[in-house]
Amino acid sequence: DTAVSQTPKYLVTQMGNDKSIKCEQNLGHDTMYWYKQDSKKFLKIMFSYNNKELIINETVPNRFSPKSPDKAHLNLHINSLELGDSAVYFCASSQGARGARGYTFGSGTRLTVV
Amino acid sequence: DAKTTQPTSMDCAEGRAANLPCNHSTISGNEYVYWYRQIHSQGPQYIIHGLKNNETNEMASLIITEDRKSSTLILPHATLRDTAVYYCIVRVVNFGNEKLTFGTGTRLTIIP
Repeated sequence: DTAVSQTPKYLVTQMGNDKSIKCEQNLGHDTMYWYKQDSKKFLKIMFSYNNKELIINETVPNRFSPKSPDKAHLNLHINSLELGDSAVYFCASSQGARGARGYTFGSGTRLTVV
Repeated sequence: DAKTTQPTSMDCAEGRAANLPCNHSTISGNEYVYWYRQIHSQGPQYIIHGLKNNETNEMASLIITEDRKSSTLILPHATLRDTAVYYCIVRVVNFGNEKLTFGTGTRLTIIP
């Protein structure tokens, strides 16, 4: 069973569209994250949720809106997509906000905006 | 979180031990050293972490110098599947806002 699963794996869309990426974890973790990896392969945190509560928001444009209906899910909705949003988006989870035992990452969603 | 410095790339022969260095000279007493790797097109994978003692698990060993200003990740018998980018991360583990901050890492290539 996949521990952290993201859908879709690939997403190609036009500028200006609105799209969502879903993430689910079956590890019983209570903290979830979204990371963005750009074309230069630099991984940067976007958001963190602990028990459905937002705890980290790294100055991401407000076109990006995370939603956590329960602690096993953290979805990412993106409005008015721009070319610069093209990247691979990774969801991750950890046990507790401290994440002392490490994060578990999903396999990523490759978003291409044309 | 303290800054880390890693070589951009390294090669290692298959079957040999791969030793990946990391400098973290500004590390503070409550910061842990974490190692992750990212195999091409996959999500980062947790390898190991430690505070000041050397650590070993089924994947690797982590050697931290006594002054904690540097560490080495050791993959004892490298295989082709160990080809990946390896990230050394130093972070505080406590209650509050937690995040992993990734640097540029070391691209390790295992040579057949």
